[in-house]
Amino acid sequence: AQSVAQPEDQVKVAEGNPLTVKCTYSVSGNPYLFWYVQYPNRGLQFLLKYITGDNLVKGSYGFEAEFNKSQTSFHLKKPSALVSDSALYFCAVRAPRLNDYKLSFGAGTTVTVRA
Amino acid sequence: GAVVSQHPSRVICKSGTSVKIECRSLDFQATTMFWYRQFPKQSLMLMATSNEGSKATYEQGVEKDKFLINHASLTLSTLTVTSAHPEDSSFYICSARTTGGNSPLHFGNGTRLTVT
Repeated sequence: AQSVAQPEDQVKVAEGNPLTVKCTYSVSGNPYLFWYVQYPNRGLQFLLKYITGDNLVKGSYGFEAEFNKSQTSFHLKKPSALVSDSALYFCAVRAPRLNDYKLSFGAGTTVTVRA
Repeated sequence: GAVVSQHPSRVICKSGTSVKIECRSLDFQATTMFWYRQFPKQSLMLMATSNEGSKATYEQGVEKDKFLINHASLTLSTLTVTSAHPEDSSFYICSARTTGGNSPLHFGNGTRLTVT
């Protein structure tokens, strides 16, 4: 079965500092990996995905993530965080099976960026 | 593009009544829609997968007679919580996928259900 772990419940950084949100995964075969962000009482917004190709993936709002197969990780990063980046972030994985589009989500990491 | 509209955003109902939540893909056809449930400060739990024109596939532990899902068209799926009880109070989120094997899911803004 596929699963995702987000080891940190909370991440706090000062505005302008780098932001990293950690994610590790477990899946049979090559994973399809996603990051989503959720603001209070809202649905999830897609940030970026890794399917194949370059290990460094660039996404929306200046976010990027690095796929590391040997460490089974897909950490989300932003070089310079903004207060508006404060939100709940979810990592998700999908198995590379034909016609199986179910996502398994991590528990989420609450990011707080202080001014 | 790829906008998913979910309605209502909030609903309060009395115990024993039924509530219908709609999920619409506004600018694309969604052959598959997913329904999730989210408890406070927790992750999303997949409830069921809904395919247009066929019966929904429910995850283990989800009562199909309580959470009725209908996906009658390529742009609309509905979730009906039947005979709601206070323990059904939660945040329900739908998502839809566009065509293309690796396309991401697009999510609605969720429905906050409170059963009194």
